[in-house]
This record gives sequence, C-alpha cells and structure tokens, in this order.
Amino acid sequence: EVQLVESGGGLVQPGRSLRLSCTASGFTFGDYAMSWVRQAPGKGLEWVGFIRSKAYGGTTEYAASVKGRFTISRDDSKSIAYLQMNSLKTEDTAVYYCTREEYVGMDVWGKGTTVTVSS
Amino acid sequence: EIVLTQSPATLSLSPGERATLSCRASQSVSSYLAWYQQKPGQAPRLLIYDASNRATGIPARFSGSGSGTDFTLTISSLEPEDFAVYYCQQRSNWPRAFGQGTKLEIK
Repeated sequence: EVQLVESGGGLVQPGRSLRLSCTASGFTFGDYAMSWVRQAPGKGLEWVGFIRSKAYGGTTEYAASVKGRFTISRDDSKSIAYLQMNSLKTEDTAVYYCTREEYVGMDVWGKGTTVTVSS
Repeated sequence: EIVLTQSPATLSLSPGERATLSCRASQSVSSYLAWYQQKPGQAPRLLIYDASNRATGIPARFSGSGSGTDFTLTISSLEPEDFAVYYCQQRSNWPRAFGQGTKLEIK
C-alpha cells in the first residue's frame, strides 16, 4: 500500500525550531518529488515547498512566507522527506501534510501532523 | 505570483443536482490546473489534473474543463459524499498556489 506518514509535530515556542519527517512506503521514494502543504485551523490549503527527485537535482522551491526559515531535504536511503522549520512564528500553526508529486499532481497525501506555535 | 480565485465561496445544493465550481487565475496557467476535494478531518484528495483529466478512481460524475485563466469543476449529479470543500491549484509557475476553496454544502 502506498503510504505517507508525517511525524514530529507538537507544541513549540515562537522563535524555536522543529523538524517534521515524512516516511514513505509502498513505492520507490527516490523516483518522486515531494511537497509539503499546510492548513491553519479553519483555513484553506497553503503550499509550503517542494523538493525534486535526485534525478532532477534534488533542488527545492519554497513559498515566500517560509523562504529562508524552512528547509526541505530528503534521505532516499530511508525513504524520508524532512521539513526543518526555524524561527517559528505563531502564524506557522497548522496541520502539515506531506504529499507525493506525480506528473498528475499531488496524488498521495499523508494524514498530517499538527504544529502549534505558542508561548 | 499567480493568484487563484475560486467562486462561489459557498455553494448550497441538494443531492442529485448539478454543481459548477469556478477557478480563475490571475495569469495564464495553460492547462496546469488541478482540483482537490477535502472532507472534514481528512487530507485532501486529487480529483482532476491538467484541467480535465480524472485522477485514478475518481467517478465519472466529476469533470473539469478550461485552459488559460478560467477553469470549471462540474459534478453532474451530487451524491451525499460529494459535500466537501474543493480547492484548485496551479502547477504552471512557482510558487504553487491554491485557491481559497469552495465549500459545497447540503441545501
């Protein structure tokens, strides 16, 4: 079964850091690009960032709201994508989803992990 | 940065009726537009890719159309499980943007 499982969410103080993980199974992780999408409480979806597969350089793209603070990386040997979040703000409070990127779009989603930034 | 505007914000219809949801882009995205469905407490699900192609397992009552800046998601005859929030998203340019969503509710 193709599956993505996010972990690492929790309560963190403003200004601190947190790293989310997305563990993939059921497919060849290294063949795919991956994205992170977030959803603040009661709000819509916000695209956070993207990492290409190694075949396409493994490079990244970010939303303006997180650029310079968030970093996406991947470990293909472990089938894990990471979202390193630094200098967290209260407005980063959200459910964070990991998604698989196919040419068709975001075709597989995890269930999400909740990040709460509060003092 | 491309902005996607969805309308209406809320659509109230009854089962069996036809639903028409709109997504307008601030500049051309060619056909690189997808539609996602999200039910309460669940992750979104890909419905339509490249404006008019149904994703795997999506029922034929869902269809998409449009190109350039104007796109439509049509649900031909609403089933009870179709009442949800629908988002469009472009993958033509960076950053990838979502529309603000249309809530399809039971009348």
